[in-house]
Amino acid sequence: NAGVTQTPKFRVLKTGQSMTLLCAQDMNHEYMYWYRQDPGMGLRLIHYSVGEGTTAKGEVPDGYNVSRLKKQNFLLGLESAAPSQTSVYFCASSTLQETQYFGPGTRLLVL
Amino acid sequence: AQSVTQPDIHITVSEGASLELRCNYSYGATPYLFWYVQSPGQGLQLLLKYFSGDTLVQGIKGFEAEFKRSQSSFNLRKPSVHWSDAAEYFCAVGRTSNTGKLIFGQGTTLQVKP
Repeated sequence: NAGVTQTPKFRVLKTGQSMTLLCAQDMNHEYMYWYRQDPGMGLRLIHYSVGEGTTAKGEVPDGYNVSRLKKQNFLLGLESAAPSQTSVYFCASSTLQETQYFGPGTRLLVL
Repeated sequence: AQSVTQPDIHITVSEGASLELRCNYSYGATPYLFWYVQSPGQGLQLLLKYFSGDTLVQGIKGFEAEFKRSQSSFNLRKPSVHWSDAAEYFCAVGRTSNTGKLIFGQGTTLQVKP
């Protein structure tokens, strides 16, 4: 039982490049979330999903897209990376009534 | 607007001393409250949560927190801090609707002196 896993762990991009971050959970959770963590700002919600095939915007969605084609996977895409997107990205999953379980994070550096 | 405030950005305590981390929230209804801990380079781990009932909740690693509705607070406490408690601590608030979304505070970094 791996819980929540994230791929990759670390990535360096040049401005304008694209990439996809993968989040996978094996707990059969309906709800999945993508956050970014920046110093002094806590975690801010980018996008979330309340079930397979559904997505919704969070607090800071601009510049990101997501997809939830399978219940266990939640993908975060950056179509044209910007230096402002340098951050640590966390994925989490939960059932409605319960705790959010977090992945180990992806460190992204955009040059 | 809903918000969570952790007034202390950085706290230093001596090993063996007691600890209290503050959390204040602004929320329209009775919220669900959480404390998470993040060790360097790691994801977030749940310490404890409050949904309803007894306002003093016990968590893992010897932590406890008390929900005080009148003060809109959910402070985290530990009677005796260990060096391994050095980490960043996040308070979060949410309420079951149809999204399960949480709002996080800015975090408090705990340093433990030997």
